[in-house]
Amino acid sequence: GAGVSQSPRYKVAKRGQDVALRCDPISGHVSLFWYQQALGQGPEFLTYFQNEAQLDKSGLPSDRFFAERPEGSVSTLKIQRTQQEDSAVYLCASSLARSYEQYFGPGTRLTVT
Amino acid sequence: QQQVKQSPQSLIVQKGGISIINCAYENTAFDYFPWYQQFPGKGPALLIAIRPDVSEKKEGRFTISFNKSAKQFSLHIMDSQPGDSATYFCAAPGFGNEKLTFGTGTRLTIIP
Repeated sequence: GAGVSQSPRYKVAKRGQDVALRCDPISGHVSLFWYQQALGQGPEFLTYFQNEAQLDKSGLPSDRFFAERPEGSVSTLKIQRTQQEDSAVYLCASSLARSYEQYFGPGTRLTVT
Repeated sequence: QQQVKQSPQSLIVQKGGISIINCAYENTAFDYFPWYQQFPGKGPALLIAIRPDVSEKKEGRFTISFNKSAKQFSLHIMDSQPGDSATYFCAAPGFGNEKLTFGTGTRLTIIP
């Protein structure tokens, strides 16, 4: 079956611009996660949804970061007024309810110039 | 906050050899320890995982060894192949939910 998909795959933004990153999880997966991966580092947790409820947003680095999943399927990560330190790969993962097995998408590489 | 320490940072192994990557965690409350494999330009892919009620799990050429008393688990890749060249991450779940804390990664290179 289809895996997790993310779009766009690459995004270049000028400093100060707003960006929106999309994640389509595996059909039927209740849990959805966003991670940020800096170059040469492991993924770092940003936020977590169970269906449409955002249960944990403790990893969001600032109030410029906002995530939503209004219908419990597709999710959007929005970054307002992008800064150079926001440059990273943003990974989305999904899993079944009460399962630790997370399946990752290919990521969106964001470059802020 | 869960901490996961991974070593080595990079590893070069001859084709056919055994690759060993180690991971140490802090909190003993966790019951799931996965390893992820990541190729350049791709997302991490779940490779193998273990629950602490067993000390070892084998899937093909990949084995996880778990040492609960030492709070360590390791990945062994037997008969390493050039196609195994990738970055490997260990991880552990968070408190009360399924979010994962990842190690810093090991870049594995298999040379002919």
